[in-house]
Amino acid sequence: GAVVSQHPSWVICKSGTSVKIECRSLDFQATTMFWYRQFPKQSLMLMATSNEGSKATYEQGVEKDKFLINHASLTLSTLTVTSAHPEDSSFYICSSDRGLIYGYTFGSGTRLTVV
Amino acid sequence: GIQVEQSPPDLILQEGANSTLRCNFSDSVNNLQWFHQNPWGQLINLFYIPSGTKQNGRLSATTVATERYSLLYISSSQTTDSGVYFCAVGVVEAAGNKLTFGGGTRVLVKP
Repeated sequence: GAVVSQHPSWVICKSGTSVKIECRSLDFQATTMFWYRQFPKQSLMLMATSNEGSKATYEQGVEKDKFLINHASLTLSTLTVTSAHPEDSSFYICSSDRGLIYGYTFGSGTRLTVV
Repeated sequence: GIQVEQSPPDLILQEGANSTLRCNFSDSVNNLQWFHQNPWGQLINLFYIPSGTKQNGRLSATTVATERYSLLYISSSQTTDSGVYFCAVGVVEAAGNKLTFGGGTRVLVKP
């Protein structure tokens, strides 16, 4: 149990375009979804916390107008990278806290390359 | 915010060897988890261990909350143990139980 499906697995886009990443909770209701970014050989950095039906909470230094987060239902949270630039190239991962039994459950990640 | 430091940053093991990974954190937490990230990027939860000791097969973990550190033990390592091991800590907040990750220990197990 506790599966988070993340799509796409990888995407290449041109500078200036927007990319949407989806995370779906397949067998549970995710009231909260965490979005992380990971640069090569670095750790995970929390970007924002999305809550179903309300505005996302962004970490300091993360541009909310650039990284649009929508959590319109209990099973779907999306991250849209708007007007992407090469420096936005990274590995983006979503996760949900399933409590003491399952702990954190992660999506499989999306590798974004902006050319 | 909470600082999380992991050591060593890199570890090369011969198959069958044992090893200990360490995680130090700077403040009191009520959530500590260990994760393994495989070479394809998938993160797997290994342990939820804010205190005490747990074992799962060849892996075990111990957290001494009063001294703000946790240890992950890998016994009889196998090549499939290769990857990055992350320690992450957190405190429950109104926005949810978000975690702060350490820098990771990159493990390579050689056959």
